[in-house]
Amino acid sequence: EDKVVQSPLSLVVHEGDTVTLNCSYEVTNFRSLLWYKQEKKAPTFLFMLTSSGIEKKSGRLSSILDKKELSSILNITATQTGDSAIYLCAVVQGAQKLVFGQGTRLTINP
Amino acid sequence: SAVISQKPSRDICQRGTSLTIQCQVDSQVTMMFWYRQQPGQSLTLIATANQGSEATYESGFVIDKFPISRPNLTFSTLTVSNMSPEDSSIYLCSAQGQGGTEAFFGQGTRLTVV
Repeated sequence: EDKVVQSPLSLVVHEGDTVTLNCSYEVTNFRSLLWYKQEKKAPTFLFMLTSSGIEKKSGRLSSILDKKELSSILNITATQTGDSAIYLCAVVQGAQKLVFGQGTRLTINP
Repeated sequence: SAVISQKPSRDICQRGTSLTIQCQVDSQVTMMFWYRQQPGQSLTLIATANQGSEATYESGFVIDKFPISRPNLTFSTLTVSNMSPEDSSIYLCSAQGQGGTEAFFGQGTRLTVV
């Protein structure tokens, strides 16, 4: 059965801390891995990763894929209260279907 | 990137009734998908909305309960039929281009069944 597992499920840190969120997957016909931020209802796109070892960066956020380990990490440096959200990892399969992980609920305390 | 307009954004419905959710994309897209997110859970794919043919449903979801239309490459609807309180969820549509590109989401519909 295809599955995507995220860890931790919940994380509480102080503003300014650095966090690392993990995503591991076991899926058939892997095409790419996506990270999303969900604050209210609609997930907003962060990164798409297709190649192993190439870091994608956007401001304080960065992400990298390890196809050998079937995993990805999302790093957030110098966290701010506005980073509080659920972070979702999803794998795109060959038929373009997305399989989502459970999400990591990140809370940044001032 | 695609912009997706989804409506309604929320609704409170009586059990036994049906609700139709609409999604309009600002460009033609190959694939449209419908997801459900139950409280405290992640997104679960309901079905893939195919243009010109019947939707493809995931295990545990059936056409009679969740009929889907996809009349063209920019529009789709999902109906939640004969609702019960267990159908209370956020429903999300998404669109993807070809080639494993990122999926973009509508704003979501928060459905409460009483």
